[in-house]
Amino acid sequence: QVQLQESGPGLVKPSQTLSLTCTVSSGSLRSGAHYWSWIRQRPGQGLEWIGFIYYSGTGFYNPSLKSRVTILVDTSKNQFSLELSSVTAADTAVYYCARLTTEDFYFDYWGQGTLVTVSS
Amino acid sequence: QSVLTQAPSVSGTPGQRVTISCSGSSSNIGSKTVNWYQQLPGTAPKLLIYSSYQRPSGVPDRFSGSKSGTSASLAISGLQSEDEADYYCAAWDGSLKGVLFGGGTKLTVL
Repeated sequence: QVQLQESGPGLVKPSQTLSLTCTVSSGSLRSGAHYWSWIRQRPGQGLEWIGFIYYSGTGFYNPSLKSRVTILVDTSKNQFSLELSSVTAADTAVYYCARLTTEDFYFDYWGQGTLVTVSS
Repeated sequence: QSVLTQAPSVSGTPGQRVTISCSGSSSNIGSKTVNWYQQLPGTAPKLLIYSSYQRPSGVPDRFSGSKSGTSASLAISGLQSEDEADYYCAAWDGSLKGVLFGGGTKLTVL
């Protein structure tokens, strides 16, 4: 059973960079059948796809966030990470990491999510 | 702003059958498969239906998916109190070159 776990600061100041890491257990990031993704959910709102990365390092990002987002992968640690720059209060959300299949683009495994609050 | 449109809420009584709809366009549902997620209160979303019709192992057959043209539906039969949750449709969008989620439908079991 693949497990994903988000980690990182729960509080980030406005204009700073939000950084989160997702650690994958019982599964390899080198799987050619999957992308590794970040999704967020603002308080009381729906789900928003942020982006995903392939083990090779190729990434795809939501155009609405693309200018501020970087997703990196570290296959040696079986981790991938999210960096979101120049954050504002609008970036306050629960951030989820998830595994995305390459065939029909569904998220089959999710982390439990981590709340990140942007506040001074 | 979701391009996949879902009704904000739906309700039903125990034992009843309810349907949740998801409307898209030719760049997403019209050309790709649809996936559905269930989010119980305070928890992470869980895959409920994939590839428009398939159920992951462990998902009861009370849940079923369908797709026609640029719309898709999730049906829940024999409604139970534990089905009370938010339900999201999602699909790959060729124009966005990414995954689109619907706005979500809150199911209330009366």
